[in-house]
Amino acid sequence: QKEVEQNSGPLSVPEGAIASLNCTYSDRGSQSFFWYRQYSGKSPELIMFIYSNGDKEDGRFTAQLNKASQYVSLLIRDSQPSDSATYLCAVRASGGSYIPTFGRGTSLIVHP
Amino acid sequence: DTGVSQNPRHKITKRGQNVTFRCDPISEHNRLYWYRQTLGQGPEFLTYFQNEAQLEKSRLLSDRFSAERPKGSFSTLEIQRTEQGDSAMYLCASRDSGELFFGEGSRLTVL
Repeated sequence: QKEVEQNSGPLSVPEGAIASLNCTYSDRGSQSFFWYRQYSGKSPELIMFIYSNGDKEDGRFTAQLNKASQYVSLLIRDSQPSDSATYLCAVRASGGSYIPTFGRGTSLIVHP
Repeated sequence: DTGVSQNPRHKITKRGQNVTFRCDPISEHNRLYWYRQTLGQGPEFLTYFQNEAQLEKSRLLSDRFSAERPKGSFSTLEIQRTEQGDSAMYLCASRDSGELFFGEGSRLTVL
């Protein structure tokens, strides 16, 4: 069973702070890693993807990947109340069809 | 509108009834996915089509569930003899060569 683990939270941070969201995965051969944001009652929307070890920055978002530790994280700088949502980590495992496996998501609350 | 479209958005049914959901993917996307999401959980993979071929099916997809994608365009997901445990959001997603784009989902409530 290929698993993606996330702490369900909620993670509560003050406005302007850095929010750090973490995800671990079980399949060492996983190739592609995604972060989706899901507002309550809405569908997931992709905010970041990362394929290689290291950091990838896009605006206020930074994805970090450490394949040796089987760990991927998402940092949100200058957090805003509008960032309050559930953040889903998804991993595409090695081999076979392109089928991302999702974690249960971490609920983020950014309070003013 | 060039996004993934799902219908109906909400369906309330009695246990034992059949329901069908439809997904219209982004027009140039040849890959189509169905996921199911329950409260507090992430999306769980159900099935995957490339064009009209159903290439993968999850063990979650019991024999009461059937999905089709005739002519490689829209897809339908039918649930027969619904059970209360089928209550969930059914998400459709499509992709070309990049990431998945999700539709707004079809929420099923089985009474």
